Amino acid sequence: KQEVTQIPAALSVPEGENLVLNCSFTDSAIYNLQWFRQDPGKGLTSLLLIQSSQREQTSGRLNASLDKSSGRSTLYIAASQPGDSATYLCAVRRRRNTDKLIFGTGTRLQVFP
Amino acid sequence: GAVVSQHPSWVICKSGTSVKIECRSLDFQATTMFWYRQFPKQSLMLMATSNEGSKATYEQGVEKDKFLINHASLTLSTLTVTSAHPEDSSFYICSALRGTGANEQYFGPGTRLTVT
Repeated sequence: KQEVTQIPAALSVPEGENLVLNCSFTDSAIYNLQWFRQDPGKGLTSLLLIQSSQREQTSGRLNASLDKSSGRSTLYIAASQPGDSATYLCAVRRRRNTDKLIFGTGTRLQVFP
Repeated sequence: GAVVSQHPSWVICKSGTSVKIECRSLDFQATTMFWYRQFPKQSLMLMATSNEGSKATYEQGVEKDKFLINHASLTLSTLTVTSAHPEDSSFYICSALRGTGANEQYFGPGTRLTVT
């Protein structure tokens, strides 16, 4: 059974810091991995999607890497801002794009001015 | 981008009553929709996969007679929590697949259910 874990569970940092959020999964046989952002009481916004054959994806200040063989992904946030405060979730798919997502435990990020 | 709506956004009901939550894909047709439940400060747990015109597939541990899912059209799926109890209080989120390509799963804003 696939289990997805995220470390740290919570993080509070001053504005401007570069951050690293970690995601690990127990079964390396994944199709792709996706990072989401969730604001309090809201739905999810997709940030980055990495296919199993890829090593990383970048979007603006965000960079996500994937090491499938070791079951790890990292989300790097450069020059953090208060607007980045949210919960960040990683999720994996097993076989294809239409397969269900297995979500991680989440990292609650607070960036203070 | 694709839009998925949920109604209601929040609902309070008394223990023992049933509550229906709607999930709509507003600008695309969705053959498949997913229903998730999220408890405070926890991650999303998949409850069931809903396919238009067929029975939903429930995850292990989810009572299909308690959480009734109907996907009667390509733009609407409903989740009915029957005989709700306080422990059913949670945040329910649906998502819809627009196609088969990568990054084609879109999430609704969620419904906060409180059972008193």
